[in-house]
Order: sequence, then C-alpha cells, then structure tokens
Amino acid sequence: GDSVTQMEGPVTLSEEAFLTINCTYTATGYPSLFWYVQYPGEGLQLLLKATKADDKGSNKGFEATYRKETTSFHLEKGSVQVSDSAVYFCALSGLTGGGNKLTFGTGTQLKVEL
Amino acid sequence: GAGVSQSPSNKVTEKGKDVELRCDPISGHTALYWYRQSLGQGLEFLIYFQGNSAPDKSGLPSDRFSAERTGESVSTLTIQRTQQEDSAVYLCASSLLTALPTPQHFGDGTRLSIL
Repeated sequence: GDSVTQMEGPVTLSEEAFLTINCTYTATGYPSLFWYVQYPGEGLQLLLKATKADDKGSNKGFEATYRKETTSFHLEKGSVQVSDSAVYFCALSGLTGGGNKLTFGTGTQLKVEL
Repeated sequence: GAGVSQSPSNKVTEKGKDVELRCDPISGHTALYWYRQSLGQGLEFLIYFQGNSAPDKSGLPSDRFSAERTGESVSTLTIQRTQQEDSAVYLCASSLLTALPTPQHFGDGTRLSIL
C-alpha cells in the first residue's frame, strides 16, 4: 500500500538557518503530494502541494519539488523564523475508489530558537 | 463560520461508554474524511464519505466504530464500548470532489480521553 517516510524530529535550528525536512513516498500510480503544518494548539493546515512530477509547491517561503525519479518531496526554507516552530507532515493522495484519502508521514517537529 | 467545525472539542469518558463525535464540513464540500491522530500511530485514515455514502471504510479499527453522514453535510463518528486505546484526537476534513485530489480542510479535532 501507499506509505510516506519523513525524517524524525525534533529538528532544532537557530533563526535564519536553512531548513530541509526529508520526505520520501511509496505509491502506485501518480499521487499528489502535500505538506501540512500544525502550529502549537492549532489544527492541521495545508502548507503547499504538487500534483505532478517536477511541480514545485511554494508558500510562506517554503518550497518542495515533486521528484518522481527519487520518489521524494523534501521541504525546504532558506531562512527560518521562530514563528515557523510547528510539526510538519508530508502526505500523499491518490485517486482511488475511496476518494482522495491522505496517507501521512509521522510528522517532524521543528523548533526554531533565537 | 467558513471552516470545518467539530464538536465537542474535548471529551472525557469512562471505559465502556459510547461516544458520538460531530463534524460540520465546509458548505458545498461533497467529500468528507475522518482521521485519528494518536501518539503511537500518527495520523491514520478512518473513513471517507462521498455525499452520504461511504465507499471506503477501510480505516475503521473495529466494528465498535461506525459513522454516518446526512444531507451531504453533518457527519457523526460513533465509538461503542470505548477502550483506552481509543484515546486520540479525531480529525474531520472536507474537500471538493474533482478529477484531481484537492486540498482537504481540517477541523480542530475532538480530543477523546478514555479513563
């Protein structure tokens, strides 16, 4: 079945550092890929998405490129801020008879310090 | 409001009791999903509704779990004879139904604690 593997946390960075959170996936067909973010005390929010190979999703300074050859969708940001502290989830969704259910990675907690 | 609304936000109950969780999706969203977020299992899919029917119930962990949706709107997730391992945050999400996967909008969840 479909699965998503992402790097374990917590990841602790200093403000303005470069961020990479690795995500790889296993799926049949051509899934869509997503990054969701969960800020402390809040619900899951969509951060960015990509629907086909070589697409780049971007939002709030975050980027991720859909790499079919390496089955990866790594999340990057050039300069993190304290306000980026949150848990980040990589997810995939494929069209199946069961709709577009999401398969999530385990989540990576990011802590950004001054 | 314009978002997905879930109630109650917190529920504490004794082992063996039944609980009912409610989800109000975004108006016009045909697709509705239930997920469970727990420490040991991460985020897991439970059930998917297309309109009022549920073509995918594959994630329901046991026959103690059931869900229904009426009027292509409100959905309820019922857990009978609750067990301690049912303690988790239950998340509801809704989306439009199109040819390509569209982003799902999540509610804030119901935190269920079984004593």
